[in-house]
Amino acid sequence: AQKVTQAQTEISVVEKEDVTLDCVYETRDTTYYLFWYKQPPSGELVFLIRRNSFDEQNEISGRYSWNFQKSTSSFNFTITASQVVDSAVYFCALSLYQFYFGTGTSLTVIP
Amino acid sequence: SQTIHQWPATLVQPVGSPLSLECTVEGTSNPNLYWYRQAAGRGLQLLFYSVGIGQISSEVPQNLSASRPQDRQFILSSKKLLLSDSGFYLCASSGGRGANEQFFGPGTRLTVL
Repeated sequence: AQKVTQAQTEISVVEKEDVTLDCVYETRDTTYYLFWYKQPPSGELVFLIRRNSFDEQNEISGRYSWNFQKSTSSFNFTITASQVVDSAVYFCALSLYQFYFGTGTSLTVIP
Repeated sequence: SQTIHQWPATLVQPVGSPLSLECTVEGTSNPNLYWYRQAAGRGLQLLFYSVGIGQISSEVPQNLSASRPQDRQFILSSKKLLLSDSGFYLCASSGGRGANEQFFGPGTRLTVL
């Protein structure tokens, strides 16, 4: 069975702090894809990143970085120097032939 | 990239009334289409997905149904709404098996009174 766990329900940080959102997944398939989405207060989910199971290279995009570790089945997301605009709900997802979403982590960045 | 349109944006309906939410997709052909519901707890629940015209798979048996009359049109319906149908409904589109990201529409916020 496939499953995505985001153990952190809510996180609050002060602006400019770094924050890491955890994501742990379960699957027996060897070929799969991992995603992160951002859901701002407007409600629409915004795609952030995709990773395939054969590419464990970490990725950095501006203040965002992702750490994919197959050994621990984790795909964590770090925001460096957080800003108020980063406040949103963040979803991690596992994809085989369909998507399996985690329950989301609500991030609040306090000015 | 794909653009997903959903309407209406918000809807307030009485219990027992019918429902029709529409989703259309631009920028791709033969997409996989999805309906999700997001309740107050924030999690996304997959309701239906479709890999082609007239092909609908239901993930959760309930009061809702879906149809895909055209390649880039996906409709969520109900004959009689329940209070428990309230929530935020999101339509999504993707191309191919698993590899491609899902693009989401702006959502419809449904309140059943």
